[in-house]
Amino acid sequence: GAGVSQSPRYKVAKRGQDVALRCDPISGHVSLFWYQQALGQGPEFLTYFQNEAQLDKSGLPSDRFFAERPEGSVSTLKIQRTQQEDSAVYLCASSLAYDEQFFGPGTRLTVL
Amino acid sequence: AQSVTQLGSHVSVSEGALVLLRCNYSSSVPPYLFWYVQYPNQGLQLLLKYTSAATLVKGINGFEAEFKKSETSFHLTKPSAHMSDAAEYFCAVSEYGGFKTIFGAGTRLFVKA
Repeated sequence: GAGVSQSPRYKVAKRGQDVALRCDPISGHVSLFWYQQALGQGPEFLTYFQNEAQLDKSGLPSDRFFAERPEGSVSTLKIQRTQQEDSAVYLCASSLAYDEQFFGPGTRLTVL
Repeated sequence: AQSVTQLGSHVSVSEGALVLLRCNYSSSVPPYLFWYVQYPNQGLQLLLKYTSAATLVKGINGFEAEFKKSETSFHLTKPSAHMSDAAEYFCAVSEYGGFKTIFGAGTRLFVKA
């Protein structure tokens, strides 16, 4: 079956631009997670959805970051007024329960 | 608060040699523990997980890990390395019944011919 997909795979933005990153989770997975992975580091938790409800957004680094999942399936991570420090790989994961998360391939964001 | 420490950012072994990747965790409640592997330009793939059943956990590709509560460790091992094992490995912890997962910084495994 289809896994988690993310688009675009690569995004180059000029500093100050807004970007939107999309995640299509595995069908039927109620839980959805966003992570930020800086070069040479492990993924860092950004936010968590259970269906359409955003239950934890404690990892979002600033109010420029915003995530939504309006119908409980597809999710979008939006970054406003991008800065160079936002350059990273953004990973999306989905799961059925509290254990295994299935990860997408990530979106590599480069801010110039 | 939970945390994960992976000892050694880089580990190099010869093909056929034992692989040992170290992970120590801290958690105030019974943890779930995971090992993930990441190949270049790909997402993370679950190798194995501990969820309070058997302390010796077997995963895919011949990997296994042992949960040692007294040592707060969850080291990953494989008896004989293969060239295809070269990748980045991440240890992770989450709370029992929780959802927030904390990842270690990763260990890059190099396998020499």
